[in-house]
Amino acid sequence: GAGVSQSPSNKVTEKGKDVELRCDPISGHTALYWYRQRLGQGLEFLIYFQGNSAPDKSGLPSDRFSAERTGESVSTLTIQRTQQEDSAVYLCASSQRTGTYGYTFGSGTRLTVV
Amino acid sequence: GDSVTQMEGPVTLSEEAFLTINCTYTATGYPSLFWYVQYPGEGLQLLLKATKADDKGSNKGFEATYRKETTSFHLEKGSVQVSDSAVYFCALSDVGGSQGNLIFGKGTKLSVKP
Repeated sequence: GAGVSQSPSNKVTEKGKDVELRCDPISGHTALYWYRQRLGQGLEFLIYFQGNSAPDKSGLPSDRFSAERTGESVSTLTIQRTQQEDSAVYLCASSQRTGTYGYTFGSGTRLTVV
Repeated sequence: GDSVTQMEGPVTLSEEAFLTINCTYTATGYPSLFWYVQYPGEGLQLLLKATKADDKGSNKGFEATYRKETTSFHLEKGSVQVSDSAVYFCALSDVGGSQGNLIFGKGTKLSVKP
């Protein structure tokens, strides 16, 4: 597609439930990133995929968070047993390569845990 | 580790005022530097970038110069408009490092009054 597509755009879930967030990167972009943006805060790096290399998971805040990506296509971010502190906007971005090219961001998924 | 520090907001200006948003960085390698903008209700968009020392990035009347001697990448605009109201994020990508992700500052909220 023309841009990075994320779904759903909004998700309200009960504490303790699992949620799955989806990201469709721009076709041909080998790198894909997930960030979290809490209300009034900056961006917090979660995980990074580059082609078929092992992902950089160093930003995942706990073992309740996981992400998958098949090849250079769709990625899903899964949060198990959601907690209220997981409430945030989850942003996905893709780029042609790492480093100098900058990212194209999706509009994000706003997750609210009640 | 690498980091980005930008001035805290919010910044409130009148239309046609001069804008400076300070950004300094710490990096072990030779980073590329970026400014992203997030308009209300939208995802992040790349505003401008610079990939080496003394480069000047520019877009939509905004400029920033990569200053290695002061490790800075301050964002400037000579005459702001109400439509520039947004949150601005400074970011770096250390191409020579092991991480592939962008490191963001905490963001500076700009409000421009008519």
